[in-house]
Amino acid sequence: DAKTTQPNSMESNEEEPVHLPCNHSTISGTDYIHWYRQLPSQGPEYVIHGLTSNVNNRMASLAIAEDRKSSTLILHRATLRDAAVYYCTHNAGNMLTFGGGTRLMVKP
Amino acid sequence: DSGVTQTPKHLITATGQRVTLRCSPRSGDLSVYWYQQSLDQGLQFLIQYYNGEERAKGNILERFSAQQFPDLHSELNLSSLELGDSALYFCASSPVGTSVSGELFFGEGSRLTVL
Repeated sequence: DAKTTQPNSMESNEEEPVHLPCNHSTISGTDYIHWYRQLPSQGPEYVIHGLTSNVNNRMASLAIAEDRKSSTLILHRATLRDAAVYYCTHNAGNMLTFGGGTRLMVKP
Repeated sequence: DSGVTQTPKHLITATGQRVTLRCSPRSGDLSVYWYQQSLDQGLQFLIQYYNGEERAKGNILERFSAQQFPDLHSELNLSSLELGDSALYFCASSPVGTSVSGELFFGEGSRLTVL
């Protein structure tokens, strides 16, 4: 299984940027880094993924360390609807496995 | 709405029984993945099917089985149920045969309660 380490929880103020860290020291050279989030009472939702270069999409940015052993998901302006559990993972073979994630709380 | 449909949304049954969970993937997606989410185990990958064939296997118990039908819908069969099988079961789909370089689309889950 993929081994990732994330803070159990983080707190942010509304409309401020949020940086969610993840360590994935066992990642291999061909493993993609993925981020998903799970809002209350919903299934996981794709956020972003990348291999080596930093990535941007409409939801977030993904900053990948040069050695690829860590990454940071950046939400540029947190909203109350961003309160969720955020999962960082990388593929183990042909599988995506998920750890405990970070529970993000957003304060108004 | 991810486009992935799971039924039933809720299911309550007794120990020793057997249940079937159903998943309809997004239109055009060939891969279906099953995940189990319990309070103490997080989100665990169970099994993946691609175009009717088993593609990857995770921590799936022998009491559990799955299949994907020609119309690409999938069923997860859970038998000899135990209290510890109570969990949310998620189905996800993707257009390709691998989850490693693309996006998975998850359904809203089936909540199983075993009494």
